[in-house]
Amino acid sequence: AQSVTQLGSHVSVSEGALVLLRCNYSSSVPPYLFWYVQYPNQGLQLLLKYTSAATLVKGINGFEAEFKKSETSFHLTKPSAHMSDAAEYFCAVRGAAGNKLTFGGGTRVLVKP
Amino acid sequence: GAVVSQHPSRVICKSGTSVKIECRSLDFQATTMFWYRQFPKQSLMLMATSNEGSKATYEQGVEKDKFLINHASLTLSTLTVTSAHPEDSSFYICSASRGEGEQYFGPGTRLTVT
Repeated sequence: AQSVTQLGSHVSVSEGALVLLRCNYSSSVPPYLFWYVQYPNQGLQLLLKYTSAATLVKGINGFEAEFKKSETSFHLTKPSAHMSDAAEYFCAVRGAAGNKLTFGGGTRVLVKP
Repeated sequence: GAVVSQHPSRVICKSGTSVKIECRSLDFQATTMFWYRQFPKQSLMLMATSNEGSKATYEQGVEKDKFLINHASLTLSTLTVTSAHPEDSSFYICSASRGEGEQYFGPGTRLTVT
């Protein structure tokens, strides 16, 4: 069984400030971890993924995430928020042998000018 | 590459009618397609997994007779909501996988049942 917890359903940041979105997972097998972004009334776009290679993963739009096995975490960061980063972000986990994704509850990011 | 489309993007139907949503992988062959449901301000909930040419596997609590899934080809899966009711109103998202485990998501379909 696997599960994902995203701490904070809403995050508000000022433009130019650090964005930090928290994700903790549980998985009975080595996990594959993903971060997706969803803009209103749209599908999901992959930001980045961890597939057991480097623990620090760089993604699109300046985002990166670090896999920490000891903390079972995969937090997403961006050094400087942009207005276009306002969206819903989902963390997801997949077991190495399976193909089903389990999503966290999502975190809505608001960027203040 | 790896583009997935959905049609229609929005649909309004009357209570008791059926509505079909199409999911297509435009530039790859999808061995597996997934259907998700997303209520407002909530996460995605997997409804079912379908492999081309075989019956869909439904998640617990999803009525297979109400949500009919057909995956007739490697590029097309359809979800039919039968005898729709207002509580079926939701955002339906499909995804497709070409076997390496990664899922590529469609843009979603907003269903409103009046």
